[in-house]
Amino acid sequence: DAGITQSPRHKVTETGTPVTLRCHQTENHRYMYWYRQDPGHGLRLIHYSYGVKDTDKGEVSDGYSVSRSKTEDFLLTLESATSSQTSVYFCAISDPGLKTDTQYFGPGTRLTVL
Amino acid sequence: QKEVEQNSGPLSVPEGAIASLNCTYSDRGSQSFFWYRQYSGKSPELIMFIYSNGDKEDGRFTAQLNKASQYVSLLIRDSQPSDSATYLCAVNLESGGSYIPTFGRGTSLIVHP
Repeated sequence: DAGITQSPRHKVTETGTPVTLRCHQTENHRYMYWYRQDPGHGLRLIHYSYGVKDTDKGEVSDGYSVSRSKTEDFLLTLESATSSQTSVYFCAISDPGLKTDTQYFGPGTRLTVL
Repeated sequence: QKEVEQNSGPLSVPEGAIASLNCTYSDRGSQSFFWYRQYSGKSPELIMFIYSNGDKEDGRFTAQLNKASQYVSLLIRDSQPSDSATYLCAVNLESGGSYIPTFGRGTSLIVHP
């Protein structure tokens, strides 16, 4: 299994509070991604990173920010959480320089915003 | 606007049958295509990737790609109850110079004994 961890695995918070989710990899992969998964919507890309300090927006980036100061860590921040951000969040990694650019997923973080 | 389309299902097949899962995509420039399996409460895991037109076989799984028709499919032979899961199609679409994976909504497969 690819070495990807996410923390926390579960979190319950209140509307208006800031939340930071962490993704950590030990594979030295260049690309990292944050997705959210909701019933009926599948996996939707929030932000991705193609290198240290290099990030770009995905399909559903409003209300989210990211940072990547080291190859191994990619942080997702909800500056002021809303109930619509209740979801399961997955981090993924890939490296287009390898033979395949397959994505490997972390175990997920279940976030509930009350 | 979703650019990778899958039938959400559920697709129900008897044990031992062939399950056929389909996916269409809108970007003719796409070069990389993936099928992931996701069990309930778990993260997606890769089943197969395919880059070239035609068929690619791996055990009981066959991926089929037709770039002219912008269509990729996954066949599961001798389906087992353990194959019951959601199957996600992913296509790498060009975005700002990078190829970024875009997922379909997934097809739920139920294999009944």
